[in-house]
Amino acid sequence: NAGVTQTPKFQVLKTGQSMTLQCAQDMNHEYMSWYRQDPGMGLRLIHYSVGAGITDQGEVPNGYNVSRSTTEDFPLRLLSAAPSQTSVYFCASSYGDQGEQFFGPGTRLTVL
Amino acid sequence: GESVGLHLPTLSVQEGDNSIINCAYSNSASDYFIWYKQESGKGPQFIIDIRSNMDKRQGQRVTVLLNKTVKHLSLQIAATQPGDSAVYFCAEIARVQGAQKLVFGQGTRLTINP
Repeated sequence: NAGVTQTPKFQVLKTGQSMTLQCAQDMNHEYMSWYRQDPGMGLRLIHYSVGAGITDQGEVPNGYNVSRSTTEDFPLRLLSAAPSQTSVYFCASSYGDQGEQFFGPGTRLTVL
Repeated sequence: GESVGLHLPTLSVQEGDNSIINCAYSNSASDYFIWYKQESGKGPQFIIDIRSNMDKRQGQRVTVLLNKTVKHLSLQIAATQPGDSAVYFCAEIARVQGAQKLVFGQGTRLTINP
């Protein structure tokens, strides 16, 4: 199994640009989530999904959209990038919302 | 809101010594806690978990202690090795807006000195 994969690894955007961060898992996990990690801080939940077709907001959802059309994929979209969205983004998956979460390698995003 | 935090942001220990990383949580309703290890440039990796009906749980070289009276969690690493150098996060399952979500603390950077 590849586990949780994320692309791209690095991305630089200009303010106002849009982009999609990709996340995929091959473990048939129902629960997937997106976090952002800022320097010197823990991870903060952006959005999560408890199954295909179901998504909900986390702690810091503003400026981000998600969709879950399949069990495997959970893309994160930035509609109009802002410098405040400069961060490292991690995708995670688990069997349930209390199970061990498996994290991807992260996407380092810089917004100029 | 509810939060999970760590007492010390950095910790240095000699190789071979034991280390203890502490964590305070504020949500008394949390019933599940996890310790994660994050190495530089990588995502967090699960180390060990504990449920609120337990006081102690042991893994390979790691022990988690839970004191619900003072809402304190600790991670003990025995006979530390260079590969233990990383940032360690405690996390709790908290109920946020009606759903169970993982809430992370700030993290402690553990450095193992040769």
